[in-house]
Amino acid sequence: DTEVTQTPKHLVMGMTNKKSLKCEQHMGHRAMYWYKQKAKKPPELMFVYSYEKLSINESVPSRFSPECPNSSLLNLHLHALQPEDSALYLCASSQGGRLGGNEQFFGPGTRLTVL
Amino acid sequence: GEDVEQSLFLSVREGDSSVINCTYTDSSSTYLYWYKQEPGAGLQLLTYIFSNMDMKQDQRLTVLLNKKDKHLSLRIADTQTGDSAIYFCAESLRGGKLIFGQGTELSVKP
Repeated sequence: DTEVTQTPKHLVMGMTNKKSLKCEQHMGHRAMYWYKQKAKKPPELMFVYSYEKLSINESVPSRFSPECPNSSLLNLHLHALQPEDSALYLCASSQGGRLGGNEQFFGPGTRLTVL
Repeated sequence: GEDVEQSLFLSVREGDSSVINCTYTDSSSTYLYWYKQEPGAGLQLLTYIFSNMDMKQDQRLTVLLNKKDKHLSLRIADTQTGDSAIYFCAESLRGGKLIFGQGTELSVKP
């Protein structure tokens, strides 16, 4: 299985809602990532988990809360979001554990709209 | 700081070759990547090159690396309409972090 899956594909939420994005991979990868991407812009790194521990937080607001329940799963919990948080949220995974050479494999993304 | 630059647009005719260029700043990058993104989709890893290589060929794709000038290019031979997409180059930093260029939007006209 060489795929990263993400659910849901689309999500519309109000500013007072709480929702979660889910990501799963079964490639045995030990590093997982969350990115935010605005239209026609490059992905912006949000969080990195390495061996199920948070290793990078790119100064992301606390209304985004990542969770890595096990090595195959990555969640992003959303609460009290703003309309400017509307974007494509991408999950990626890589083998991890090496310096460089960590080609990242991306999921199809969740298109989030905050009303 | 780290920076990766690409031209924003490229238009070619079907059957021609496309060349997408990229420059990067971090000379310690060990791997450089090319990703393709079709509308509404995630990023697809196309190919990568290790920094001690000058060239890598994979079917219609040729990657050239000039480490002295910190210049990377992706050549797509016999470009098809299905190649229309945004192409991102990225350099890999220590810790696995990727620095992406702004993306080149390739338009292939029949």
